[in-house]
Amino acid sequence: DAGITQSPRHKVTETGTPVTLRCHQTENHRYMYWYRQDPGHGLRLIHYSYGVKDTDKGEVSDGYSVSRSKTEDFLLTLESATSSQTSVYFCATSAKVDTQYFGPGTRLTVL
Amino acid sequence: DQQVKQNSPSLSVQEGRISILNCDYTNSMFDYFLWYKKYPAEGPTFLISISSIKDKNEDGRFTVFLNKSAKHLSLHIVPSQPGDSAVYFCAASAGGSQGNLIFGKGTKLSVKP
Repeated sequence: DAGITQSPRHKVTETGTPVTLRCHQTENHRYMYWYRQDPGHGLRLIHYSYGVKDTDKGEVSDGYSVSRSKTEDFLLTLESATSSQTSVYFCATSAKVDTQYFGPGTRLTVL
Repeated sequence: DQQVKQNSPSLSVQEGRISILNCDYTNSMFDYFLWYKKYPAEGPTFLISISSIKDKNEDGRFTVFLNKSAKHLSLHIVPSQPGDSAVYFCAASAGGSQGNLIFGKGTKLSVKP
């Protein structure tokens, strides 16, 4: 498996506060992705990156922004958290356009 | 509209028997299909994949079958073991889309001892 870590692993925050989740990989994979998992929805793509400073929107990007200043780091920011953003967030990476490898996840609760 | 559908939310199988998990898709541009396994409080783990140029791929106890005309794929686990109890996600991608995967909602497999 790709060496992927996510921080924090758990976070509780209040509505309206900014939140940043970090994904770090040691595999030098070009592509990185952020997903959210919710009951009844499976995994949905939020944003992805196909290289340093190259990012694009996924299926559920509203309310989220991302940044990738280094190959190994991909940040997901909730500018003003809402209760609908309570979810489990997964980062994934891939070396090319095929198999993605996932991190352990971050459980975010917005009160 | 769901492009990848796993119509069975759950499946229960006896240890030693075959588990068959099904997945249907609607987008004829999909050319690569994957199965992931997920335990609670962990990230999804890649299990097996298949390209659209094949109709079968086997890896140990796991075999994936692809029927392009029916837009259907299935994952067979033989023999099933209690440690196989997890949620299984089917995913698909179309070439040239940055590798973006479209996931089904998952099927929870329970293997009873």
